[in-house]
Amino acid sequence: EVQLVESGGGLVQPGGSLRLSCAASGFTFSDHYMDWVRQAPGKGLEWVGRTRNKANSYTTEYAASVKGRFIISRDDSKNSLSLQMNSLKTEDTAVYYCARRGRAWAYDIWGQGTMVTVSS
Amino acid sequence: DIQMTQSPSSLSASVGDRVTITCRASQGISNYLAWFQQKPGKAPKSLIYAASSLQSGVPSNFSGSGSGTDFTLTISSLQPEDFATYYCQQYNSYPLTFGGGTKVEIK
Repeated sequence: EVQLVESGGGLVQPGGSLRLSCAASGFTFSDHYMDWVRQAPGKGLEWVGRTRNKANSYTTEYAASVKGRFIISRDDSKNSLSLQMNSLKTEDTAVYYCARRGRAWAYDIWGQGTMVTVSS
Repeated sequence: DIQMTQSPSSLSASVGDRVTITCRASQGISNYLAWFQQKPGKAPKSLIYAASSLQSGVPSNFSGSGSGTDFTLTISSLQPEDFATYYCQQYNSYPLTFGGGTKVEIK
């Protein structure tokens, strides 16, 4: 079964750091670009960033709201995607989803999400 | 950044109704447009890619159309399980952007 499972969410103080993980199974992880998307409570979806695959040098893209604070990385040997979040702000409070870019460049698989709460 | 504007933001409909949701891009995005369905407390589900192609397993009562700046998602006969919030997304250029969502409620 093709699956993405996020973990690592929790409560963190403003200015703190947190690392999220996304475990992939059931497909050739190394072939795919992988993204993070978040959703603040009661709000819509917001793209966070992307890591390309090895064939495209694992390059990354970020939303302006997180650039310089968040780092996306991957370990193809472990079928794992990570999101290192630093200098967290209250407005980073959200459910964070990982998503696979499938055929025709669009998302086809999403994880179940992990909640991050930034509060003092 | 490309702004994606969905309309309406919400609608009420009955089982069996035909429902149309519109998504407009602030500049041309060819057919790099996807639609997602999200139910409360759940992850989004991918419905349509490339504006009009159904993801595997998506019922045929869903369809998408459009190109350039104007797109539509149509549910030909609304089923009880279709009551949800629907989002469009452009993936033509960075940053990828989503529409604000359309909540489809039971009339």
